[in-house]
Formats: sequence, C-alpha cells, structure tokens
Amino acid sequence: GQQLNQSPQSMFIQEGEDVSMNCTSSSIFNTWLWYKQDPGEGPVLLIALYKAGELTSNGRLTAQFGITRKDSFLNISASIPSDVGIYFCAGTQGAGNNRKLIWGLGTSLAVNP
Amino acid sequence: NAGVTQTPKFQVLKTGQSMTLQCAQDMNHNSMYWYRQDPGMGLRLIYYSASEGTTDKGEVPNGYNVSRLNKREFSLRLESAAPSQTSVYFCAADTGSSYNSPLHFGNGTRLTVT
Repeated sequence: GQQLNQSPQSMFIQEGEDVSMNCTSSSIFNTWLWYKQDPGEGPVLLIALYKAGELTSNGRLTAQFGITRKDSFLNISASIPSDVGIYFCAGTQGAGNNRKLIWGLGTSLAVNP
Repeated sequence: NAGVTQTPKFQVLKTGQSMTLQCAQDMNHNSMYWYRQDPGMGLRLIYYSASEGTTDKGEVPNGYNVSRLNKREFSLRLESAAPSQTSVYFCAADTGSSYNSPLHFGNGTRLTVT
C-alpha cells in the first residue's frame, strides 16, 4: 500500500542536541499527524496539522505542514532521555467514509545521556 | 479516563488455534480500527468500522474477522492462527466525522504464534 517516506530511519544523539525528522510524499494530504510510541505502548498523538503552511509547537516540539501539502517536518529541541522512542508521521486523504490515513515507517530515536 | 483498552496484553498461540482480541473505548467515538505492527513494516490497517454496524477491510485483512459489537467494542478474531500472524496488534478509535479527527490508540496486544 501507499506509504509516506519518513527519514531518517533512526537517530542516535546526545542529550541536549536538537532533532529533525521529516515525511514526504508524491501525493497531497489534508492533515499531517505526528505520533510518538514509547516501548511497549501504543502511539500517542504529539501534534496535528490541518492547514498548508501551518507551524505548530507543543513544548519542545515544533511541526510544520508543508506549503505544497506533500511534506511535513518535526523538530525536537534540547533533547532529553525521555524523548527516546519511535516517531511516526501520518497523513490523511479524502473525507468522511472515504478518508484514508497513510503512515510513515517511523524514526527511531535514541538519546545518550 | 481509560481511552482505548485492549485485552489481553500478551498471548501465545499454537498454529491452528483461534482467539479473539478485545477492544473497548470510552470516548464515544464512532470509528474504530485494528492495526498490526511489524518491524520494518510500520502500522498496517487490518479492518475498520466507520460506525456501529459497519465493518470494512483494510490493507491486510486475510486471516482475520472482526465484530463491532456495539459503539464501544470492536473485536478481532483469528480463526486459525499462523506464525505469520505473530505481531503486535493495536486497536484505535476516532470520531470519524471529519478529516481533523486524530486516532487514539490502545497499548497493544503482543501475539506470538508458534
């Protein structure tokens, strides 16, 4: 099935460093969602983006809905050990019963204290 | 506020055995979903229920059946488990009413089929 191109696949950084990850597609999307999955748990929504060009922050996290509607990025500033986990992007296409949610394959983040 | 609750958390089956994974949500959401998560494959949709009384196939429905018992509950059944169904299964729910309705996930059922 269709998937988003999420990169990088994995990152290993030092505590305090900034992190950037992104998702791209050849198709346009209505919304972009960023989720984080901690080990042994389900994905939890971090940020939802609803308009092209939208820039939204949630604490140390900042995400943007690309102006072309084909991409999105997530930045984490001043990383801490609890940022460890897998980050997923997801985009929606269509509406109502025709709404589809397309997932990236995830970015695995490791933080060295 | 429990959100989406899945049972059991862990399960080991032998090939050919059957079992039902349970999911319940207390958010009064219309739509519910079953995903499986495998290394390197991301999240893949098995089945979904847009509203009470309806179910539809997702990306990987073969070997599974579902039941939307009521608005709160959506179960996933493996009639004859196979090793290829070893995975982590996630149930999710959303309002389903518009494009701006993020999914809320349960904590997963880790299934091993030997």
